[in-house]
Amino acid sequence: ILNVEQSPQSLHVQEGDSTNFTCSFPSSNFYALHWYRWETAKSPEALFVMTLNGDEKKKGRISATLNTKEGYSYLYIKGSQPEDSATYLCASRSSGSARQLTFGSGTQLTVLP
Amino acid sequence: EPEVTQTPSHQVTQMGQEVILRCVPISNHLYFYWYRQILGQKVEFLVSFYNNEISEKSEIFDDQFSVERPDGSNFTLKIRSTKLEDSAMYFCASIRGLAGNEQFFGPGTRLTVL
Repeated sequence: ILNVEQSPQSLHVQEGDSTNFTCSFPSSNFYALHWYRWETAKSPEALFVMTLNGDEKKKGRISATLNTKEGYSYLYIKGSQPEDSATYLCASRSSGSARQLTFGSGTQLTVLP
Repeated sequence: EPEVTQTPSHQVTQMGQEVILRCVPISNHLYFYWYRQILGQKVEFLVSFYNNEISEKSEIFDDQFSVERPDGSNFTLKIRSTKLEDSAMYFCASIRGLAGNEQFFGPGTRLTVL
């Protein structure tokens, strides 16, 4: 059974601050790591899908790194804006499964103006 | 941009009643999923569906649950006799195909069982 953990559980930052969150996952049978941004009452929005050790992906001010050998991924937000306020979910997929995701509990980010 | 849609957004039902949650996945997607999130807990996988049959299911997905793709566009989750502990947000997701990795999620249906 996969156990995906995220930290911190919640985070308050000032507008303009940079921040990062951690996702840890079992490294055995790893296939892919997903990051989602989820605002209340909306669909979780896919940010990144990463599969290779050492992968780094970037989308605007948001970037992510992946270490499959030690089983962790970092999500970075540079120069946080109030509109970045959301819950950030990571989910891992193991090889051999029908592509279902195992989710962490999320990091709830609040960016204060 | 194509999106996954779900109806209703909120369903309230009495314990023991049957409910059907509806999803319309993205039209050219081949794999479909149901997940749920009980308040305060993690999002959990329920079932995956491909080629008109269940490909994988979790321990949560017992005989009270069933899925169907009745008409080639809708993907439904039925709970035959709801229990209080079925109260949760239910998410539908779809994936493009065998080579695709990104799962697209709907906005969820909040099910409240009284």
